[in-house]
Amino acid sequence: AQKVTQAQTEISVVEKEDVTLDCVYETRDTTYYLFWYKQPPSGELVFLIRRNSFDEQNEISGRYSWNFQKSTSSFNFTITASQVVDSAVYFCALSEARGNEKLTFGTGTRLTIIP
Amino acid sequence: DAGVIQSPRHEVTEMGQEVTLRCKPISGHDYLFWYRQTMMRGLELLIYFNNNVPIDDSGMPEDRFSAKMPNASFSTLKIQPSEPRDSAVYFCASSLQGALPGAKNIQYFGAGTRLSVL
Repeated sequence: AQKVTQAQTEISVVEKEDVTLDCVYETRDTTYYLFWYKQPPSGELVFLIRRNSFDEQNEISGRYSWNFQKSTSSFNFTITASQVVDSAVYFCALSEARGNEKLTFGTGTRLTIIP
Repeated sequence: DAGVIQSPRHEVTEMGQEVTLRCKPISGHDYLFWYRQTMMRGLELLIYFNNNVPIDDSGMPEDRFSAKMPNASFSTLKIQPSEPRDSAVYFCASSLQGALPGAKNIQYFGAGTRLSVL
């Protein structure tokens, strides 16, 4: 069975600080995909990134970066120089790569950026 | 391009009434998913379709829930009769599993329907 754990329920940081959101996953599959989604206060779910299990390169997109470590089954998300607009709930998710696209979500981390 | 469109955005109904939630997936996508989000259970998959065919409905809570996808551009989730514990945000998502690089296996979500059953 698949499982995604986001141990940090809530995080608050002052604007311009860096913050890392942790994600640990469990799966028996050798091929899988990992995702991060953002849910701002308006409620929609916004796709941020997809990473497949064969690609362990870290990725950077502007102020966002992702660290995928297969050895520790982790896929952490770092926001550099945080801004108030980053305040949201962030979800990590996992899916198998057998043509079955079911997403298993973590419980989410509520990030509050204090101006 | 339009994203996933859900209607209504908000629904308030009384216990025992029938509720129908609607979803229009992104054009060309071949997978459609229905999720429910609650404080207690988080985001949980209810059912998903591939090419309009239901593939896995193991997440549907009980017989009061049903979902259909009569064509590639429309799906409904129906609750009959509704109960207060059905109050939640219901999301529809679609994805494309095809040959285009980067297009595969990314679920794009609608804005959700917030359902309140009194």
